[in-house]
Amino acid sequence: SQTIHQWPATLVQPVGSPLSLECTVEGTSNPNLYWYRQAAGRGLQLLFYSVGIGQISSEVPQNLSASRPQDRQFILSSKKLLLSDSGFYLCAWRRGSGATYEQYFGPGTRLTVT
Amino acid sequence: RKEVEQDPGPFNVPEGATVAFNCTYSNSASQSFFWYRQDCRKEPKLLMSVYSSGNEDGRFTAQLNRASQYISLLIRDSKLSDSATYLCVVNSPAGNMLTFGGGTRLMVKP
Repeated sequence: SQTIHQWPATLVQPVGSPLSLECTVEGTSNPNLYWYRQAAGRGLQLLFYSVGIGQISSEVPQNLSASRPQDRQFILSSKKLLLSDSGFYLCAWRRGSGATYEQYFGPGTRLTVT
Repeated sequence: RKEVEQDPGPFNVPEGATVAFNCTYSNSASQSFFWYRQDCRKEPKLLMSVYSSGNEDGRFTAQLNRASQYISLLIRDSKLSDSATYLCVVNSPAGNMLTFGGGTRLMVKP
Protein backbone atom coordinates (compact mmCIF):
# COMPACT_ATOMS: atom_id res chain seq x y z
CA SER A 1 0.00 0.00 0.00
CA GLN A 2 1.01 3.59 -0.48
CA THR A 3 2.20 5.78 2.36
CA ILE A 4 3.24 9.42 2.46
CA HIS A 5 5.63 10.91 4.99
CA GLN A 6 6.34 14.48 5.94
CA TRP A 7 8.89 15.94 8.30
CA PRO A 8 9.30 17.65 10.53
CA ALA A 9 5.88 17.44 12.17
CA THR A 10 6.24 20.85 13.82
CA LEU A 11 8.66 23.69 13.33
CA VAL A 12 9.22 27.08 14.93
CA GLN A 13 11.45 29.39 12.93
CA PRO A 14 12.38 33.08 13.26
CA VAL A 15 11.54 35.58 10.53
CA GLY A 16 14.26 35.67 7.90
CA SER A 17 15.48 32.14 8.48
CA PRO A 18 15.53 29.47 5.72
CA LEU A 19 13.05 26.62 5.43
CA SER A 20 13.17 23.09 4.09
CA LEU A 21 10.23 20.70 4.37
CA GLU A 22 10.42 17.22 2.96
CA CYS A 23 7.79 14.85 1.65
CA THR A 24 8.29 11.28 0.46
CA VAL A 25 5.87 8.76 -0.95
CA GLU A 26 6.25 4.98 -0.78
CA GLY A 27 4.51 2.22 -2.66
CA THR A 28 3.88 3.99 -5.94
CA SER A 29 5.86 5.29 -8.87
CA ASN A 30 5.60 8.45 -10.93
CA PRO A 31 2.99 10.07 -8.68
CA ASN A 32 1.73 13.61 -9.06
CA LEU A 33 2.85 15.51 -5.96
CA TYR A 34 1.37 18.63 -4.39
CA TRP A 35 2.19 21.18 -1.69
CA TYR A 36 -0.68 22.96 0.03
CA ARG A 37 -0.80 25.49 2.83
CA GLN A 38 -3.65 25.93 5.28
CA ALA A 39 -3.53 29.12 7.34
CA ALA A 40 -5.25 29.07 10.72
CA GLY A 41 -9.02 28.85 10.22
CA ARG A 42 -8.70 29.00 6.46
CA GLY A 43 -9.07 26.67 3.49
CA LEU A 44 -6.38 24.80 1.60
CA GLN A 45 -4.28 26.82 -0.83
CA LEU A 46 -2.37 24.97 -3.55
CA LEU A 47 1.23 26.18 -3.67
CA PHE A 48 3.02 23.85 -6.10
CA TYR A 49 2.47 20.65 -7.98
CA SER A 50 4.75 18.31 -9.90
CA VAL A 51 4.04 15.67 -12.50
CA GLY A 52 7.59 14.33 -12.62
CA ILE A 53 11.22 14.73 -11.60
CA GLY A 54 12.39 18.29 -12.05
CA GLN A 55 8.93 19.49 -13.14
CA ILE A 56 7.36 22.12 -10.88
CA SER A 57 4.27 24.26 -11.45
CA SER A 58 3.73 27.21 -9.17
CA GLU A 59 0.20 28.31 -8.38
CA VAL A 60 0.83 31.28 -6.11
CA PRO A 61 3.74 33.75 -6.43
CA GLN A 62 5.52 34.09 -3.09
CA ASN A 63 8.85 33.58 -1.40
CA LEU A 64 8.55 29.79 -1.44
CA SER A 65 9.99 27.33 -3.94
CA ALA A 66 9.66 23.61 -4.54
CA SER A 67 11.89 20.94 -6.00
CA ARG A 68 11.50 17.31 -6.97
CA PRO A 69 14.94 15.75 -7.02
CA GLN A 70 13.65 12.17 -7.07
CA ASP A 71 10.48 10.49 -8.28
CA ARG A 72 8.97 10.13 -4.81
CA GLN A 73 10.52 13.11 -3.06
CA PHE A 74 9.10 16.63 -2.95
CA ILE A 75 10.76 19.50 -1.10
CA LEU A 76 9.39 22.90 -0.12
CA SER A 77 11.91 25.63 0.58
CA SER A 78 12.33 29.26 1.42
CA LYS A 79 15.42 31.40 1.67
CA LYS A 80 13.86 33.89 4.11
CA LEU A 81 10.66 33.19 6.01
CA LEU A 82 7.98 35.83 6.56
CA LEU A 83 5.47 35.94 9.41
CA SER A 84 2.75 35.26 6.84
CA ASP A 85 4.38 31.91 6.01
CA SER A 86 3.03 30.43 9.24
CA GLY A 87 0.54 27.66 8.63
CA PHE A 88 -0.09 23.97 8.17
CA TYR A 89 1.84 22.62 5.18
CA LEU A 90 0.42 19.53 3.56
CA CYS A 91 1.95 17.32 0.92
CA ALA A 92 -0.35 15.19 -1.19
CA TRP A 93 -0.01 12.61 -3.94
CA ARG A 94 -2.22 11.07 -6.58
CA ARG A 95 -1.65 8.48 -9.23
CA GLY A 96 0.05 9.98 -12.25
CA SER A 97 -2.18 8.18 -14.72
CA GLY A 98 -5.63 6.67 -14.82
CA ALA A 99 -9.11 8.01 -14.52
CA THR A 100 -9.14 8.59 -10.77
CA TYR A 101 -8.15 11.94 -9.31
CA GLU A 102 -8.25 11.37 -5.56
CA GLN A 103 -5.41 12.94 -3.65
CA TYR A 104 -4.02 11.54 -0.43
CA PHE A 105 -2.42 13.75 2.15
CA GLY A 106 0.56 13.37 4.41
CA PRO A 107 0.32 14.19 8.12
CA GLY A 108 1.48 17.76 7.56
CA THR A 109 4.05 20.13 9.05
CA ARG A 110 2.84 22.86 11.37
CA LEU A 111 5.10 25.88 10.88
CA THR A 112 5.15 28.88 13.19
CA VAL A 113 7.24 31.85 12.13
CA THR A 114 8.11 34.11 15.08
CA ARG B 1 -17.66 34.07 -7.02
CA LYS B 2 -15.55 31.41 -5.32
CA GLU B 3 -14.88 28.27 -7.34
CA VAL B 4 -16.21 26.02 -4.58
CA GLU B 5 -18.52 27.40 -1.90
CA GLN B 6 -19.68 25.84 1.32
CA ASP B 7 -21.61 27.08 4.33
CA PRO B 8 -18.91 27.22 7.04
CA GLY B 9 -21.40 26.30 9.79
CA PRO B 10 -21.01 25.16 12.48
CA PHE B 11 -23.85 22.68 12.28
CA ASN B 12 -24.69 21.60 15.83
CA VAL B 13 -26.77 18.41 15.83
CA PRO B 14 -27.67 15.79 18.44
CA GLU B 15 -26.50 12.20 18.17
CA GLY B 16 -28.71 10.19 15.85
CA ALA B 17 -29.74 13.17 13.75
CA THR B 18 -29.57 13.36 9.98
CA VAL B 19 -27.59 16.30 8.63
CA ALA B 20 -26.97 17.49 5.09
CA PHE B 21 -24.35 19.82 3.66
CA ASN B 22 -24.49 21.49 0.29
CA CYS B 23 -21.66 22.73 -1.87
CA THR B 24 -21.78 24.72 -5.11
CA TYR B 25 -19.11 24.90 -7.78
CA SER B 26 -18.61 27.43 -10.54
CA ASN B 27 -16.92 25.50 -13.36
CA SER B 28 -19.56 23.56 -15.28
CA ALA B 29 -16.81 21.53 -17.00
CA SER B 30 -15.75 19.88 -13.72
CA GLN B 31 -16.10 16.11 -13.86
CA SER B 32 -14.96 14.69 -10.53
CA PHE B 33 -16.07 15.56 -7.04
CA PHE B 34 -15.02 14.51 -3.58
CA TRP B 35 -15.83 14.92 0.08
CA TYR B 36 -12.92 14.97 2.51
CA ARG B 37 -13.08 14.96 6.27
CA GLN B 38 -10.61 16.99 8.34
CA ASP B 39 -10.27 16.62 12.07
CA CYS B 40 -8.82 19.47 14.12
CA ARG B 41 -5.12 19.94 13.42
CA LYS B 42 -4.99 16.87 11.19
CA GLU B 43 -4.68 16.27 7.46
CA PRO B 44 -7.78 15.94 5.26
CA LYS B 45 -8.84 12.35 4.61
CA LEU B 46 -10.87 11.19 1.64
CA LEU B 47 -14.42 10.33 2.64
CA MET B 48 -16.16 9.78 -0.69
CA SER B 49 -15.62 10.18 -4.42
CA VAL B 50 -18.48 11.16 -6.72
CA TYR B 51 -17.92 10.40 -10.39
CA SER B 52 -21.51 9.98 -11.53
CA SER B 53 -24.78 11.13 -10.00
CA GLY B 54 -24.04 9.93 -6.49
CA ASN B 55 -22.41 7.53 -4.12
CA GLU B 56 -23.39 5.82 -0.89
CA ASP B 57 -21.21 4.34 1.81
CA GLY B 58 -22.96 3.21 4.96
CA ARG B 59 -24.42 6.25 6.71
CA PHE B 60 -22.96 8.64 4.16
CA THR B 61 -24.61 9.57 0.85
CA ALA B 62 -23.24 12.03 -1.68
CA GLN B 63 -25.33 13.36 -4.54
CA LEU B 64 -24.34 15.39 -7.56
CA ASN B 65 -26.63 17.75 -9.44
CA ARG B 66 -24.76 18.84 -12.56
CA ALA B 67 -27.56 21.06 -13.86
CA SER B 68 -27.52 23.18 -10.71
CA GLN B 69 -23.80 22.64 -10.07
CA TYR B 70 -24.02 21.45 -6.53
CA ILE B 71 -22.96 18.44 -4.51
CA SER B 72 -24.52 17.35 -1.26
CA LEU B 73 -23.40 15.12 1.59
CA LEU B 74 -25.99 13.45 3.81
CA ILE B 75 -25.01 11.87 7.10
CA ARG B 76 -27.58 9.65 8.75
CA ASP B 77 -27.63 8.56 12.40
CA SER B 78 -24.88 11.02 13.37
CA LYS B 79 -22.23 9.80 15.79
CA LEU B 80 -20.08 11.86 18.14
CA SER B 81 -17.10 10.73 16.07
CA ASP B 82 -18.58 12.42 12.98
CA SER B 83 -17.64 15.80 14.49
CA ALA B 84 -15.16 17.29 12.03
CA THR B 85 -14.87 19.73 9.14
CA TYR B 86 -16.15 18.41 5.83
CA LEU B 87 -14.42 19.69 2.71
CA CYS B 88 -16.11 19.76 -0.68
CA VAL B 89 -13.55 19.26 -3.45
CA VAL B 90 -13.82 19.63 -7.21
CA ASN B 91 -11.38 18.41 -9.82
CA SER B 92 -10.23 20.96 -12.38
CA PRO B 93 -11.23 20.09 -15.94
CA ALA B 94 -7.53 19.95 -16.86
CA GLY B 95 -7.28 17.03 -14.44
CA ASN B 96 -4.20 17.76 -12.40
CA MET B 97 -5.58 19.92 -9.63
CA LEU B 98 -8.26 19.87 -6.98
CA THR B 99 -10.05 22.96 -5.72
CA PHE B 100 -11.12 22.86 -2.09
CA GLY B 101 -14.06 24.57 -0.50
CA GLY B 102 -13.57 26.30 2.81
CA GLY B 103 -15.22 23.45 4.70
CA THR B 104 -18.34 22.96 6.79
CA ARG B 105 -17.87 22.31 10.47
CA LEU B 106 -20.08 19.67 12.08
CA MET B 107 -20.43 19.24 15.83
CA VAL B 108 -22.43 16.26 17.05
CA LYS B 109 -23.57 16.60 20.66
CA PRO B 110 -24.57 13.81 23.06
